Amino acid sequence: DGGITQSPKYLFRKEGQNVTLSCEQNLNHDAMYWYRQDPGQGLRLIYYSQIVNDFQKGDIAEGYSVSREKKESFPLTVTSAQKNPTAFYLCASSIGGGSLNTEAFFGQGTRLTVV
Amino acid sequence: AQSVTQLDSQVPVFEEAPVELRCNYSSSVSVYLFWYVQYPNQGLQLLLKYLSGSTLVKGINGFEAEFNKSQTSFHLRKPSVHISDTAEYFCAVSYGFNKFYFGSGTKLNVKP
Repeated sequence: DGGITQSPKYLFRKEGQNVTLSCEQNLNHDAMYWYRQDPGQGLRLIYYSQIVNDFQKGDIAEGYSVSREKKESFPLTVTSAQKNPTAFYLCASSIGGGSLNTEAFFGQGTRLTVV
Repeated sequence: AQSVTQLDSQVPVFEEAPVELRCNYSSSVSVYLFWYVQYPNQGLQLLLKYLSGSTLVKGINGFEAEFNKSQTSFHLRKPSVHISDTAEYFCAVSYGFNKFYFGSGTKLNVKP
């Protein structure tokens, strides 16, 4: 089945450590996104990528980094510079590539907790 | 700035009653509108979408929404809710070829 796979589902990190969240899609989509979700704040865009080897900052990019070396993969690194990283992280994709964005498809999310 | 406003953060309703979840968006020439549902600790699932054509859009699980250009609204409705509809609902907008903008969400709590 086509879809988006995020791993791991739960992740614990010690303060001061970097951690990388995985996102893989087999939908052949050009565009991929990372959102952060906190209670009562909806989804806030961290980074997005419209095409391989290119990405742009979203509204809350500070303390995060991404790469887009392959079309199907868009990993997110939460660095030690992110002051409040505990949250639910969602990865999404859409057809992109200059085509009309008819829908965003979401993964099941990764819950990151700083201990 | 482009934005989406969901006016109600929580909506309590009794089972089998009708419900409306409100959504307003920033106006633009071309706008594409979506409603997503999220169950606890899961990703978002598309309920319905408006891209063009009829302003009344029907989706999954008996939900429907109406695109109102003059009021820049896209309210979600269901004539009779079930306990299983308890979830958080997100309205989203796309202006064509770029990113999606999401509202802050509305938690629907269906009571027996």
